[in-house]
Amino acid sequence: DSGVTQTPKHLITATGQRVTLRCSPRSGDLSVYWYQQSLDQGLQFLIHYYNGEERAKGNILERFSAQQFPDLHSELNLSSLELGDSALYFCASSARTPPETQYFGPGTRLLVL
Amino acid sequence: GEDVEQSLFLSVREGDSSVINCTYTDSSSTYLYWYKQEPGAGLQLLTYIFSNMDMKQDQRLTVLLNKKDKHLSLRIADTQTGDSAIYFCAESIKGGKLIFGQGTELSVKP
Repeated sequence: DSGVTQTPKHLITATGQRVTLRCSPRSGDLSVYWYQQSLDQGLQFLIHYYNGEERAKGNILERFSAQQFPDLHSELNLSSLELGDSALYFCASSARTPPETQYFGPGTRLLVL
Repeated sequence: GEDVEQSLFLSVREGDSSVINCTYTDSSSTYLYWYKQEPGAGLQLLTYIFSNMDMKQDQRLTVLLNKKDKHLSLRIADTQTGDSAIYFCAESIKGGKLIFGQGTELSVKP
């Protein structure tokens, strides 16, 4: 158990819908990272937050957004969902700004029908 | 550019050593990591190496880093069936994001 929690574990929804994925980092960790794992793209970095502020963006679609709250938990919002958004979404946390070791949560498996 | 390459499959017999190889492109990487993913599970951090080290040993795991060739390897001694999983190599680059390889599926046969 990495200490990073993610909810929900599974999510099934329809195209065009909007979902919110939640992540709680390890106690004391200020950094939260989001990654997407799909069969065709592999593991891709989406976005990084540090203590509530966005620090880096990867290949994150404009339909996706994220935020980190004062209690340090983070949410990833995915809107206007398409079939191709079906993937495993991971959150990771680390203790300090980079480079630091990232510990991953169990992931949220999203299926868009 | 940012790219990490791994071979896709490795099959070994139980009790043998496994060696999983990885090449990366970003010479500014400060840390390199190995993660393990079992079916339906998340990414488990196995070990990491700082870029100024050549080798790191952690129980059955040995990591070798050749910075000149940008080559990283993970050796698992006395491989067990429970080691069957997908192993990802990752480099930490500026900004802290991890760039992952495609993953190597290790199959351990009894």
